[in-house]
Amino acid sequence: DVKVTQSSRYLVKRTGEKVFLECVQDMDHENMFWYRQDPGLGLRLIYFSYDVKMKEKGDIPEGYSVSREKKERFSLILESASTNQTSMYLCASSLEGVYGYTFGSGTRLTVV
Amino acid sequence: KQEVTQIPAALSVPEGENLVLNCSFTDSAIYNLQWFRQDPGKGLTSLLLIQSSQREQTSGRLNASLDKSSGRSTLYIAASQPGDSATYLCAVRPIVGNTPLVFGKGTRLSVIA
Repeated sequence: DVKVTQSSRYLVKRTGEKVFLECVQDMDHENMFWYRQDPGLGLRLIYFSYDVKMKEKGDIPEGYSVSREKKERFSLILESASTNQTSMYLCASSLEGVYGYTFGSGTRLTVV
Repeated sequence: KQEVTQIPAALSVPEGENLVLNCSFTDSAIYNLQWFRQDPGKGLTSLLLIQSSQREQTSGRLNASLDKSSGRSTLYIAASQPGDSATYLCAVRPIVGNTPLVFGKGTRLSVIA
């Protein structure tokens, strides 16, 4: 089975800090995605990538950036963390076309 | 723009009941539809993946159907158990523009012992 690993289950950071959320998949998937999930708002797409060094903005990219230097790793960066970025962050990966998505276990980020 | 709706938003049933969760989508140009389960504070676990050419998929007590022409899917859970309590999300993978998955907001299921 494909495994998507998010490096931290829980993080607490201070306002203004630069925050890195790491995601690694082990099945050579081309596509990787970052979502955030908030009560009542569902899952919202932040950024995604279809190949190494490629990135596409999702629905809510403001305040975030991403890095994909290697195929298996997709990092989400909060340039200057703010309290409204307190959320559950979910990473996913997939192959092209007809295949399903596999999600990581999530990172609960709290910004204080 | 593809939209996915799940009804009801929350459901509470006694243990042992058979139940149906509903999912509808607005654009039939999809590769597939995927049902996920999410426990509180956890990530998403894939339950069933139905390709656009398929009518249904089964896994244990779960059966998912797809009617692409009407833009509907149902997730049937037989003989529900308290351990089935979770949020269930459906998502479609659009063909147009290789767009990422579009999610519904989920149905929160409580199975009461």
